[in-house]
Amino acid sequence: GAGVSQSPSNKVTEKGKDVELRCDPISGHTALYWYRQSLGQGLEFLIYFQGNSAPDKSGLPSDRFSAERTGGSVSTLTIQRTQQEDSAVYLCASSTSGSTDTQYFGPGTRLTVL
Amino acid sequence: SQKIEQNSEALNIQEGKTATLTCNYTNYSPAYLQWYRQDPGRGPVFLLLIRENEKEKRKERLKVTFDTTLKQSLFHITASQPADSATYLCALLSGNTGKLIFGQGTTLQVKP
Repeated sequence: GAGVSQSPSNKVTEKGKDVELRCDPISGHTALYWYRQSLGQGLEFLIYFQGNSAPDKSGLPSDRFSAERTGGSVSTLTIQRTQQEDSAVYLCASSTSGSTDTQYFGPGTRLTVL
Repeated sequence: SQKIEQNSEALNIQEGKTATLTCNYTNYSPAYLQWYRQDPGRGPVFLLLIRENEKEKRKERLKVTFDTTLKQSLFHITASQPADSATYLCALLSGNTGKLIFGQGTTLQVKP
């Protein structure tokens, strides 16, 4: 079946603009994660959704970052008033139910803030 | 503070040799550890999971060890091939919420 998809694949924006990044998880997966990967760095956890539970937002770097997951499926990561240090690849992953389950990653969205 | 360290230097080996990658962690007591492969421009792909009560896990040419005393995992690729060239990431479960903490990855280059 289809894997995790993300859109857009690339986004170039100007400093101060808002951006929205979209993630379509694998159908039936109840857990969804967002990560950020800067050049040459490992993955930095941002936020985790599990079913109808309150999301774990402990990794969001500032209040300019927010995410929602509608209907337990598609998720949108929003970055307001983007800064140059927000430039990175944003990766989304999903798993069947979280905890020890394998995470399946999307291809990522490369965000460049000029 | 909690920390995961992987060799930041690239590992270059000759085809056919065994590649060994290291993952060290501090201030964690993870229930399990995962290894992922990441190719340029792509998201990570899950390879293996090893639990704290398992010393070793194998899958085809891959072998992972987990030493909770040393707080270290070793990832081995035997009979390495140029197609194994990629970045390999280790990840630990943080708490019981399903949140994974990743190392920065080690890039492996297998030369023909």
